[in-house]
Amino acid sequence: QKEVEQDPGPLSVPEGAIVSLNCTYSNSAFQYFMWYRQYSRKGPELLMYTYSSGNKEDGRFTAQVDKSSKYISLFIRDSQPSDSATYLCAMSWAGKLIFGQGTTLQVKP
Amino acid sequence: GAVVSQHPSWVICKSGTSVKIECRSLDFQATTMFWYRQFPKQSLMLMATSNEGSKATYEQGVEKDKFLINHASLTLSTLTVTSAHPEDSSFYICSARDSIITDTQYFGPGTRLTVL
Repeated sequence: QKEVEQDPGPLSVPEGAIVSLNCTYSNSAFQYFMWYRQYSRKGPELLMYTYSSGNKEDGRFTAQVDKSSKYISLFIRDSQPSDSATYLCAMSWAGKLIFGQGTTLQVKP
Repeated sequence: GAVVSQHPSWVICKSGTSVKIECRSLDFQATTMFWYRQFPKQSLMLMATSNEGSKATYEQGVEKDKFLINHASLTLSTLTVTSAHPEDSSFYICSARDSIITDTQYFGPGTRLTVL
């Protein structure tokens, strides 16, 4: 079993839809949780980071962490074609980041 | 803020030659930088952790003599792929950590290496 599980998709939604991306993890020692967006042939871009259970909002993005269930989510409201990318969840432990496999999202106009 | 650059963005080299990739943190000092490798449609694979002024720590299975890492300053780390072979062709991405508290890493744009 991988430490971080993420459905690779692909996930296809119409423009304006609410997107839900999820990751589960097994190591309760993970302290910080991040979401990165990666466009094709580019480096990952940090979208959100959080360290406690609950929600954190930034514009159209909401990161949710449930430590009791070892489950994190990223919600994208009013999705746009420019949101089409691969989304990677990442968790920090022992000075390193443990990444999920990444979910490929396509937002169709 | 938190911008990381990489150079070159792409490079093509002949088998047997060496290639150096630079990673710079432009607006913050990074005592720790990381080097990743990414294959198509796969997640990032950590190759090594680079600490300023000390030897890099390599992940299991990564040849330290083949992938030489130098972190001579708080804003620059370099990865040299020595005696490159076609199987070394990949997308190499560096990152820099800006805080030891949150472990937040900011990534460079990546370097695409093609070995002929």
